[in-house]
Amino acid sequence: EVQLVESGGGLVQPGGSLRLSCAASGFTFSPFGMNWVRQAPGKGLEWVSYISSDSSTIYYADSVKGRFTISRDNVKNSLHLQMNSLRAEDTAVYYCASGTYNYYMGVWGKGTTVTVSS
Amino acid sequence: EIVLTQSPTTLSLSPGERATLSCRASQSLSNYLAWYQQKPGQAPRLLIYDASKRATGIPDRFSGSGSGTDFTLTISSLEPEDFAVYYCQQRDKLCTFGQGTKVEVK
Repeated sequence: EVQLVESGGGLVQPGGSLRLSCAASGFTFSPFGMNWVRQAPGKGLEWVSYISSDSSTIYYADSVKGRFTISRDNVKNSLHLQMNSLRAEDTAVYYCASGTYNYYMGVWGKGTTVTVSS
Repeated sequence: EIVLTQSPTTLSLSPGERATLSCRASQSLSNYLAWYQQKPGQAPRLLIYDASKRATGIPDRFSGSGSGTDFTLTISSLEPEDFAVYYCQQRDKLCTFGQGTKVEVK
């Protein structure tokens, strides 16, 4: 079964850090770019970051640039998001999504919830 | 940043009716536009990519059209499982999503 499974979410205080992970299975992970997309409670989708198949190209949304770092391990079929200096507005469900359709997000995980609150 | 504006915000229709959703971009796209469906408590699902190509397994009642700055998702005859929120997304310059259109039961 084609699957992406996120982990690492939780409750963190403002200014704190979290590291999200996404484990891929059931498909060939390495050829595809990967994304993190988040959704604040009751809100729409917000793209967060992209990493190319070989990690040579990385992009971030302005809202997270300088605070978040995306990385991947093609041997372990995993994607990561290191989140530092967290703010209340980073509270959201974080999804990883694979660019399996001509760079569009054809495979999605179920998401992991990040809550930033004191 | 390319801004995508979806209209209407909410579409109230009955099963069997035709749904027409609009997505307007703040600048011209090279047809690098997709549509996603999201149901409550679920991850989004890719429906349409490159403006008009259906993803694998997507019923042919879903179709996409448009070019430049104006794009449309059409659901020819609404099935009960089609009531959901729909987002457009561009990947011409980085990536942005529209704010979504909710298709609800009238």
